Amino acid sequence: TQLLEQSPQFLSIQEGENLTVYCNSSSVFSSLQWYRQEPGEGPVLLVTVVTGGEVKKLKRLTFQFGDARKDSSLHITAAQPGDTGLYLCGIGNTGKLIFGQGTTLQVKP
Amino acid sequence: DAMVIQNPRYQVTQFGKPVTLSCSQTLNHNVMYWYQQKSSQAPKLLFHYYDKDFNNEADTPDNFQSRRPNTSFCFLDIRSPGLGDAAMYLCATSRVGRELFFGSGTQLSVL
Repeated sequence: TQLLEQSPQFLSIQEGENLTVYCNSSSVFSSLQWYRQEPGEGPVLLVTVVTGGEVKKLKRLTFQFGDARKDSSLHITAAQPGDTGLYLCGIGNTGKLIFGQGTTLQVKP
Repeated sequence: DAMVIQNPRYQVTQFGKPVTLSCSQTLNHNVMYWYQQKSSQAPKLLFHYYDKDFNNEADTPDNFQSRRPNTSFCFLDIRSPGLGDAAMYLCATSRVGRELFFGSGTQLSVL
């Protein structure tokens, strides 16, 4: 059983489109992290959300933590080819970080 | 400057021939992790160290071992690599409960 369910797993869109990636669980978390991984590199932290209902913005990326702290979303506005990569949500569990299945995003020019 | 360094970047080994991957950090973080990542999949945690305390994931095969001789270094030993062990191996470090810093990974090929 996957602790974190991430959807969609694959997304291919045109430049300029908007998209949302979801990360869901039946458990409550104290915090949740979003990472982005480019091909051939390790994941890099984008943001950590801590408070239920919290919204954080990073340029064209908007992150939201659900009120009950069981889910989170990542919304990208006007996607660009440079946004292409693997997006991962992750939660801390007994001192370790566990990832969802990941969303592979391809943005075509 | 790279903070989590993995060597080598690419490693080729033969079926059944032991191989060691290395990771070093300049962040002085007390937690170090090893993840296995296969193509188009999320990284899968193999084990992690909290200081010298080793924590193995329940589904990590016995074929995979790790050593952490000091704070800065951590090694992944694959005793008898199989074709299914070909993957990207990612090392990461963190302070407890904080963000992870990843290395660039070692891409392992098994012939």
